[in-house]
Amino acid sequence: AQKITQTQPGMFVQEKEAVTLDCTYDTSDPSYGLFWYKQPSSGEMIFLIYQGSYDQQNATEGRYSLNFQKARKSANLVISASQLGDSAMYFCAMREGNTNAGKSTFGDGTTLTVKP
Amino acid sequence: DAGVTQSPTHLIKTRGQQVTLRCSPISGHKSVSWYQQVLGQGPQFIFQYYEKEERGRGNFPDRFSARQFPNYSSELNVNALLLGDSALYLCASSLAGSLAQETQYFGPGTRLLVL
Repeated sequence: AQKITQTQPGMFVQEKEAVTLDCTYDTSDPSYGLFWYKQPSSGEMIFLIYQGSYDQQNATEGRYSLNFQKARKSANLVISASQLGDSAMYFCAMREGNTNAGKSTFGDGTTLTVKP
Repeated sequence: DAGVTQSPTHLIKTRGQQVTLRCSPISGHKSVSWYQQVLGQGPQFIFQYYEKEERGRGNFPDRFSARQFPNYSSELNVNALLLGDSALYLCASSLAGSLAQETQYFGPGTRLLVL
């Protein structure tokens, strides 16, 4: 079964508008971490934001926020005030439990294009 | 502070050859994980090493091997290269790799092309 599902292969957003990138996950482990990464065409995976399974509040980092709905097993990334430099591939990832903590499981990504 | 570094940045090999990729983690990080990213897909976990010991292994054949050195740097070796091994190989480091909450920081990757 797919552990991380990103249903939007591609998204477009107008510059300065907000955009939501979807991510749903599947795990039976009560302890897990959810991460979003940005991958520009250069290939480097850039860490954006983290949400822990026990966190009560949604994570925020500057223009990035994570809409965490535990019961629905979703962890959507919200980017506010989009900039041209936000155009990239975005990956949702999960790390489960403490025995498999070195392994991140990734979705297939969403390509975001910001239009001027 | 320097981030995760990887070498070489690009590599071209022919089928059947062997390749060694190198990774240096962020200073103070003791865990290194390797991932393979085929074009159009998310990264797939290959190995995790911590304190020179293999802690986890993904669903990859025995042609893939790795090791970690006392300074926590790591090498990934791939023998008997196949065309399907062409991919971006990413190295990620974290403090101990023992908690799901730890963030993994990635290097710029090595692009391997097998002809």
